[in-house]
Formats: sequence, C-alpha cells, structure tokens
Amino acid sequence: KNQVEQSPQSLIILEGKNCTLQCNYTVSPFSNLRWYKQDTGRGPVSLTIMTFSENTKSNGRYTATLDADTKQSSLHITASQLSDSASYICVVSPGSPTDKLIFGTGTRLQVFP
Amino acid sequence: EAQVTQNPRYLITVTGKKLTVTCSQNMNHEYMSWYRQDPGLGLRQIYYSMNVEVTDKGDVPEGYKVSRKEKRNFPLILESPSPNQTSLYFCASSFTGTETQYFGPGTRLLVL
Repeated sequence: KNQVEQSPQSLIILEGKNCTLQCNYTVSPFSNLRWYKQDTGRGPVSLTIMTFSENTKSNGRYTATLDADTKQSSLHITASQLSDSASYICVVSPGSPTDKLIFGTGTRLQVFP
Repeated sequence: EAQVTQNPRYLITVTGKKLTVTCSQNMNHEYMSWYRQDPGLGLRQIYYSMNVEVTDKGDVPEGYKVSRKEKRNFPLILESPSPNQTSLYFCASSFTGTETQYFGPGTRLLVL
C-alpha cells in the first residue's frame, strides 16, 4: 500500500536552533517528492520538489534531501525563526499524472523565542 | 498576481442545505483538485480534474460533486451536507498532476 509517514508528529525548538524533519515513503513507482509549509489556517505553500535523480535541494534556510534507494527524505531547517512555526507536509507523486498524490499527515513545528 | 481563490472563506450551514464552494485559478493550469483537511488526518483528496470536462474521484469523494466546464473554475458541490463534512477545504491547481500545486486560502465549513 502506498504510504507516506512523517516524524516526529510535533516538534518544539528554540529560535536560532536547527532541526530536521523526516519523511519515509513506500510509494512505487515514484515520480517526485515535495515538501510544503502550511501556516495555521492557510493553504500549503511549496518549499521544494525533487525527482528521483535529485538528492538535495535548497530553498533559503530550508534544505531537503532524498534517498530514493531507502525511500527516505528529510527537511532541514537552519537557524530557525519564529515564522518557521507551521506544519510541514511531505507529498509523494507516483509514476503517472493520473495516480493520486500520497500525503503525509505532517509535522507540526513550533519555534519559541 | 498568480493565485487560486476560493469563496466563501467561512461557511456555517445546516444539514441538508445544498451549498457550493467556488474555486478559480488564473494561471491557465490544467490540473485542479479539492482536498479536505481534518485534525490528525492530514490532507485527503476529494476530486480532481486533469482538464476541462475531465474529473475523477480522489480518496474521499462520497457526498461531494464537482464540475469542470471551464479551465479556470472547479466548484465543489455538497448536495446534502452532513455534520461529518465539517472540515477545512482547499482547492489546488497545477499545470499537470505531477508538478507543484498551488493551494487556495481554504474554506472553513461548519455543518450543524
């Protein structure tokens, strides 16, 4: 069964610290993996998108990695800011446009001053 | 400004009263989709559309209808809403189903 699992479910860190969020998937075949940031009460916004041939992609202080062999991805946030408080959602796209996207349930990150 | 818009943003209704949530995008995207988001369950796809007049069921289509008569619009219809459809709804669009999706601001629905 195609699944995406994210860990931890929630995370609290202090401002300025780094953190890493995990995403494991069992989706096959695989087209791409995306990370979204969702502020409370708002729509998700894309952070990165990676195909199976890419193993790292950065967007400012956000760096995503992908290991297609072990089917794992991580999102690393450097020097966290209060505005990083949000839910981070991992989404995997199977092999064709007609296949349904597989969503993780997200990691809720809270950054405290 | 490139965007996905949804209306209304907030809606309180009663069981059985038909309602429509509109979604419109100005990016000439072919792919559009509706999701609902509930605590602990994440985003779940209701319906999606690959192009005009082409729609298909997502993971939780029961109780919902959609139509895609024009490329830019993809309304979500609840013919007879029930309390278990109380949720936060998002519309999204992209050029194809495999590319980055752009999400609308969400519609918070309460069915009494």
